[in-house]
Amino acid sequence: EVQLLESGGGLVQPGGSLRLSCAASGFTFSRNAMCWVRQSPGKGLEWVSTISGNGYATYYADSVKGRFTISRDNSKSTLFLQMNSLRAEDTAVYYCVKDPAAVPYDLDVWGQGTPVTVSS
Amino acid sequence: AIQMTQSPSSLSASVGDRVFITCRAGQDIRNELGWYQQKPGKAPKLLIYSASSLQSGVPSRFSGSGSGTDFTLTISSLQPEDFATYYCLQDHSYPLTFGGGTKVEIK
Repeated sequence: EVQLLESGGGLVQPGGSLRLSCAASGFTFSRNAMCWVRQSPGKGLEWVSTISGNGYATYYADSVKGRFTISRDNSKSTLFLQMNSLRAEDTAVYYCVKDPAAVPYDLDVWGQGTPVTVSS
Repeated sequence: AIQMTQSPSSLSASVGDRVFITCRAGQDIRNELGWYQQKPGKAPKLLIYSASSLQSGVPSRFSGSGSGTDFTLTISSLQPEDFATYYCLQDHSYPLTFGGGTKVEIK
């Protein structure tokens, strides 16, 4: 079964840091670009960051550039998102996703989401 | 960033109705667009990729059309399980951008 399982979310104070993890199974992780998508409470979807299959190429939304770092460990089929200098507006459910912009386009894999709350 | 303008933001419809949701891209994105369905508390689910290709397992009442800047998701006969929020996503270039969403509610 194709599956993504996120962990690491929680409550953090403004200015703090958090590291999200996403364990993949059921597909060839190293061959697939991966991304993070977030959804603030009651709001729409926002793409956050993408990393290529080999980890050499990364892309970021302007809203997180310089604060968040995406990385991956293909030997452990795990994706990461290091989030620093967190702000209230980063409060959201964070989804780990097989990147929709990369082939195969019909491989649609989302995690269940991990909530992040930035509040004092 | 490519702006995606989705409309309407919400609609009320009855079971059996034909429903149209549109997305307009701020620039030519060829056919590089997907449509997603999201139900409360759940992750989004891909319905259509490459503007008009039906994702495996998705009912044939869902269809997508368009290319360039204008795209449409059509539900030919709305079913009770289709009441949800729908999003378009351009995957032509980074940053990837979603439309604002369309909430489909029961009339």
